[in-house]
Amino acid sequence: SQQGEEDPQALSIQEGENATMNCSYKTSINNLQWYRQNSGRGLVHLILIRSNEREKHSGRLRVTLDTSKKSSSLLITASRAADTASYFCATVHYGNNRLAFGKGNQVVVIP
Amino acid sequence: DGGITQSPKYLFRKEGQNVTLSCEQNLNHDAMYWYRQDPGQGLRLIYYSQIVNDFQKGDIAEGYSVSREKKESFPLTVTSAQKNQTAFYLCASCMGATLWNYGYTFGSGTRLTVV
Repeated sequence: SQQGEEDPQALSIQEGENATMNCSYKTSINNLQWYRQNSGRGLVHLILIRSNEREKHSGRLRVTLDTSKKSSSLLITASRAADTASYFCATVHYGNNRLAFGKGNQVVVIP
Repeated sequence: DGGITQSPKYLFRKEGQNVTLSCEQNLNHDAMYWYRQDPGQGLRLIYYSQIVNDFQKGDIAEGYSVSREKKESFPLTVTSAQKNQTAFYLCASCMGATLWNYGYTFGSGTRLTVV
């Protein structure tokens, strides 16, 4: 199954800085979703962006989607120590009614 | 508060034993999913169910079984557990049977160790 692939895999930043993660996929999607996972916990849904949308905001999160490049980015602005987590992108492809997850992006925010 | 409950949080079994992981949701969601997560890896789909009394195999269904007798419950059984089934198991649910408008709600996971 097709999977989102995040890049970079690990990111370490200072509190207050912005964190950007990228995700690419191979075939046409219906939507793309981002999730956060704190260590040893379940995933939490952050945001869903549809294939006909280019940008979406939720609080300090900004997600962009470029279907021509088959890629998405997640920007966390003014990061906080509590943003330390793994972030996963996941895609829903036409004709395939399930989410395909990437391997995740570990973000460490240093206080 | 509505949510998904996975129990227990930790499980230890010897090789060859069967073990059932519980997943219950009170969100009135139609679809439920089981994923397996290995260290540093993404999530791999084991089984999913879009409606009661129906379920489909995911990408790694071998060695696992499920049932969906009630909308609220989707237990996963590891049949004759093997050491390579040691992993973090995550249950999720979704409001609609399709994923075009909704994301998943996840449980807090069960960590299974097979020795």
